[in-house]
Order: sequence, then structure tokens, then C-alpha cells
Amino acid sequence: NAGVTQTPKFRILKIGQSMTLQCAQDMNHNYMYWYRQDPGMGLKLIYYSVGAGITDKGEVPNGYNVSRSTTEDFPLRLELAAPSQTSVYFCASTQVVTMNSPLHFGNGTRLTVT
Amino acid sequence: DAKTTQPPSMDCAEGRAANLPCNHSTISGNEYVYWYRQIHSQGPQYIIHGLKNNETNEMASLIITEDRKSSTLILPHATLRDTAVYYCIVRAPLNYGGSQGNLIFGKGTKLSVKP
Repeated sequence: NAGVTQTPKFRILKIGQSMTLQCAQDMNHNYMYWYRQDPGMGLKLIYYSVGAGITDKGEVPNGYNVSRSTTEDFPLRLELAAPSQTSVYFCASTQVVTMNSPLHFGNGTRLTVT
Repeated sequence: DAKTTQPPSMDCAEGRAANLPCNHSTISGNEYVYWYRQIHSQGPQYIIHGLKNNETNEMASLIITEDRKSSTLILPHATLRDTAVYYCIVRAPLNYGGSQGNLIFGKGTKLSVKP
């Protein structure tokens, strides 16, 4: 298994541009999450999904959108990039085999908005 | 989810045991204690978790006090590759009390393993 795969690894955007951060997992996990991490800080939850067709907001959803059309993929969309969205973005997934299953994280997408 | 308190940084000599403390005095009875680490901006890596009993795996040991208000992560023989930020996180079980399984990260402890 490749685990959680995020693309691209790095991206530079101009203010107002849009882009989609891709996240895919091959572990048949039904729960998936998007986090952002600003320098020197812990991760903050942007959006999450408990299964295909179901998404919900996390702590910092403004400026982002998500979709979950398949179990494997959970893309994160930035419509109008702003400098405040400069961050490292992490995708994670878990399965509900037991109620305490750990999350598995991808290696992140480093985004700079100038 | 309950909050946790960790020292911002610690040093450890290579080959020695690293003992990382965590305070979670407001933990609820069904909340688990999880430990993750993050090596140089990579994705967080799961280490270990527990509820009441002490736990051990190939990476580390987790010691939880009897009153569950604090815990210690032990890396028995720290190496330079263990230099990372270590996060202690308390989380309710999935689907309990509205929990959707997400982890709430603090700033963690930056562990520096020195030769």
C-alpha cells in the first residue's frame, strides 16, 4: 500500500489564482481529513469526510472547498488564493475498525501565495 | 477533546532513554491518549496510543498514571533520527459525543537528540 498520497509537493500561487490539492489513499479508509500547519504551530482541521458524498467543516474552513465522490480521493480546492493561505497542507485518513483507530498522514503540500 | 500540556523542548543524549511528559488533567473516562511525531515538516507519524494500561510497541512505551491525568512517552534508546516534534493528543472514540476522529494538535515538544 502507498498509504496517503498528496500532490503536488510544492506550489507557488499568485493572489487570486485557484488550485486543487489532491489527496488519495489506497487503504479503503472511510474517514478523511484536511489539515493546515502554519510555521511553528500545530495542525488545524480544515474539512473532513466520513464517507463518499459526505463532508463537513472543521476549525478553519473559510476559503476552501472539498468534495468526496469516491472513497479513495478527497481533493481540497482553493478558489481565490490569499497570502493567509500560505501553509503546509496535510491530508489524513483512518478506518472505523475500532473506535480508536489512529490517523495516517500524507507528507504534505507546501503552498506559497504571493 | 481535552487539552494537553507539554514542555516546549527537551534534549536527550543519543543512546539514552527519552522521557517525554504530557499533562491531560481534564481527560474524560473514554478518551484515549495518542502520541504522534513530526520529523522536519513531514506528515505526522503515529507512535502509540492507550486508554488506561501502559502500552509498548516497537517504537516506544506509553506510561499512563493511574488517575489518567498525565502520561509519559518513552523512547528507550534515542537515536539522532528521533529528533522531531512530539505531540500528545487526547481524543474521544470515533462517533462518540460527536467526535469524528479528528486530532487536535498543540505545539508539542521539540526533542533534540544529541551525539
